[in-house]
Amino acid sequence: DVKVTQSSRYLVKRTGEKVFLECVQDMDHENMFWYRQDPGLGLRLIYFSYDVKMKEKGDIPEGYSVSREKKERFSLILESASTNQTSMYLCASSPPRQGTGGSPLHFGNGTRLTVT
Amino acid sequence: GNSVTQMEGPVTLSEEAFLTINCTYTATGYPSLFWYVQYPGEGLQLLLKATKADDKGSNKGFEATYRKETTSFHLEKGSVQVSDSAVYFCALSTNDYKLSFGAGTTVTVRA
Repeated sequence: DVKVTQSSRYLVKRTGEKVFLECVQDMDHENMFWYRQDPGLGLRLIYFSYDVKMKEKGDIPEGYSVSREKKERFSLILESASTNQTSMYLCASSPPRQGTGGSPLHFGNGTRLTVT
Repeated sequence: GNSVTQMEGPVTLSEEAFLTINCTYTATGYPSLFWYVQYPGEGLQLLLKATKADDKGSNKGFEATYRKETTSFHLEKGSVQVSDSAVYFCALSTNDYKLSFGAGTTVTVRA
């Protein structure tokens, strides 16, 4: 089974701190994603990457950046954390699409970040 | 752009009841459709998918049929169990990389 591991389950940070959320996958997947999950809003895509050192903005990239130096690792960075970034953050990975239909995403268990 | 609308919850049912969660979509292009499930304390996992019109995805007793004419992908299960208590997300993809998710529907099944 694919395993996507997020380094922290719970995290509490202060406003203005720089925050790193780490994600590692063990299935050699090309594509990796960062979503945030908020009640009533579902999942919203922050950034994604389809190759090492490549990144693309998702729907809500403001206030975030990412790093993908190795294929298995995709980091989300909050340059200066704010209280409106309090949320559940989900990392996911997927292989390239083969044939018709999108490739399913494999998710980590999430990091619940609280910014005070 | 792409968007997914699913029925608001929460939904509370008794064991062995019939479950339906409505999902409609708007998409540019010809999407693939998915249902994901999130059990308490866990990440999302794929429940089922359909890639073309009239396809039926099924898994763990759940079914959903891709209806292009009504742009819908409703999730159904004939007899739910307590273990089906979870949050269910409808999603679509029109390219290789990105999924668009609905807001999620919380389902609670009581014994």
